[in-house]
Amino acid sequence: GPKVLQIPSHQIIDMGQMVTLNCDPVSNHLYFYWYKQILGQQMEFLVNFYNGKVMEKSKLFKDQFSVERPDGSYFTLKIQPTALEDSAVYFCASSFRQYEQYFGPGTRLTVL
Amino acid sequence: QQQVRQSPQSLTVWEGETAILNCSYEDSTFNYFPWYQQFPGEGPALLISIRSVSDKKEDGRFTIFFNKREKKLSLHITDSQPGDSATYFCAASDAGTQVVGQLTFGRGTRLQVYA
Repeated sequence: GPKVLQIPSHQIIDMGQMVTLNCDPVSNHLYFYWYKQILGQQMEFLVNFYNGKVMEKSKLFKDQFSVERPDGSYFTLKIQPTALEDSAVYFCASSFRQYEQYFGPGTRLTVL
Repeated sequence: QQQVRQSPQSLTVWEGETAILNCSYEDSTFNYFPWYQQFPGEGPALLISIRSVSDKKEDGRFTIFFNKREKKLSLHITDSQPGDSATYFCAASDAGTQVVGQLTFGRGTRLQVYA
């Protein structure tokens, strides 16, 4: 099926630093999403993005989080500053319509 | 309160048997239910999905049975193969409204198929 790529696969940073997670969505997809999965728990929705704008965000999407997709390049999730509770696997997804979201392999973020 | 619940947490079957994975949900506005298959170290892969207007969806060895009245659905994997060993996630969405396809996931069922 369609492939979503995520870079890096693993990121380790010190608390308080900034981190940017990168997602390369499927080329003709229009909707983009970030989900967060803490070890042993279910995946939880963070934010979705369409036509250059955030459409909806959950309460997990703190003020320290931001997303963008400048000029059709990577869809990014930036966390500034990071906190210990941000340690998780972050999954990017994209879809052509509102259905059929395709997920990347995830970025494991470890905040020390 | 969990919006989407899955059972069992783990399931073991022998090759050739039918594995049955269960899912239930709370929100009656949910109208789209995808199942995802995830192997260790990989992202979830869309396996099969159903919309609430249907009560059954079949794709090869994978079938979703959907009961809207009871807010329950199940994924049946017939002729299970060792390669089916993975974690299966049930998800739900009220896609088609103002919400742009936000998925609510269950905690997953870990399936092990022995040869």
